[in-house]
Formats: sequence, structure tokens, C-alpha cells
Amino acid sequence: GAGVSQTPSNKVTEKGKYVELRCDPISGHTALYWYRQSLGQGPEFLIYFQGTGAADDSGLPNDRFFAVRPEGSVSTLKIQRTERGDSAVYLCASSPGLEGETQYFGPGTRLLVL
Amino acid sequence: QKEVEQNSGPLSVPEGAIASLNCTYSDRGSQSFFWYRQYSGKSPELIMFIYSNGDKEDGRFTAQLNKASQYVSLLIRDSQPSDSATYLCAVRGGSGYALNFGKGTSLLVTP
Repeated sequence: GAGVSQTPSNKVTEKGKYVELRCDPISGHTALYWYRQSLGQGPEFLIYFQGTGAADDSGLPNDRFFAVRPEGSVSTLKIQRTERGDSAVYLCASSPGLEGETQYFGPGTRLLVL
Repeated sequence: QKEVEQNSGPLSVPEGAIASLNCTYSDRGSQSFFWYRQYSGKSPELIMFIYSNGDKEDGRFTAQLNKASQYVSLLIRDSQPSDSATYLCAVRGGSGYALNFGKGTSLLVTP
């Protein structure tokens, strides 16, 4: 079956602009996660959804970052007033939803803020 | 701060040898432990997970967990050049769902 998909694969924007990153999880997976990976670092947790609700948003770095999952499937990560430090690969993962279940990662969106 | 520590490497092993990758974690309540492989420019790909103390084998890969020492390792037998990648250790704590990743160990298998 299809894996996690993310669009766009690459996004270049200017400082101060607004961006939206999309994630389409594996069909039937109720849990969805967003991570951010900077060069030479491991992925850093941002937010976790169980169904439509954000169960844990403790990793969001500040209020410029927001994510939604209105129908419990596709999720959108929104970044307002982008800064150069937001440049990273944004990874989405999904899992069937049980604690301890493996998270499967999408290909990521490479965001470059100029 | 719940930390996951890995030696960044690079770890260089000859083809056919055993590669040993190590990881320590700080949260004693951690429940689940994962090893992901990440090729350059690609996303993490699951290799193995382990929940209980001891060894777990899957093909050429063996994960080892010692909760008392807060230590998890990955052994790769008969290493192949295609195993050259960054290996990420990830830990799920006792009170959350997020994975806490180490920085990864770069492995180079030389022909």
C-alpha cells in the first residue's frame, strides 16, 4: 500500500512569508506526527495528533507554528512569518495509533527560508 | 531534558565485518526503543524495535536492550556497502508518544 506522502518536496520562501506543508498519512493510521530535522541532527518532535485533535503540541517552538488535521487524515503544518532558522526538513510520520506502535516516515519537505 | 546520546562517528568497518552501534538514554521510564536507518537526503526507515531487555534478532540485525544500564545497541552482521548510512536511535518515553532521537551514527562499510 501507499506510504506517507508529503507535499511539496521542496519549498523555498522569503523571510517573513507564510508557508503550508501537507502530510497524507498511511490509510487507516489514526496517529500522525510532525518532526523537524536540521542538518546533522536527529528528527525533533513538533506535534502529535490522535484523530483530529492535537494530543501533544509541546514540541512546537513558538506560536508561529500551527498544525491542523480537520478530518483525521491529512494534516497541514503552518508556519507564519518564517525565519531563516526555520530552514530544515519537515518530516511527517504516521502509526496505527496504539502506544509503542512503529512510526513510518514520509519523504519530508525541505524548507529553505531566504 | 530527556536525552538520547549516540557517537556521531563515522564508524568505518570492512565489508563482511560486524558493525556495532550504541545508544544511551536518560529517561528511566522509557518504554520503546527503535533503530532507524537514514540514507543521505532520504527520510528515516525503520530497521528494528525492541521493548524488553535482552536481544532481538531480525536477519543480519540484532538489537540489544539493557534498561538497567539505559543502553541500547544495534549489531549488523556481514556488513555490506549498502549498509552505509546514518543510524538513528529513537526512544519513546514512559509518558508520551513522541520519539526522542539521537543525532545518529554515520556508518561506512568499505569494500
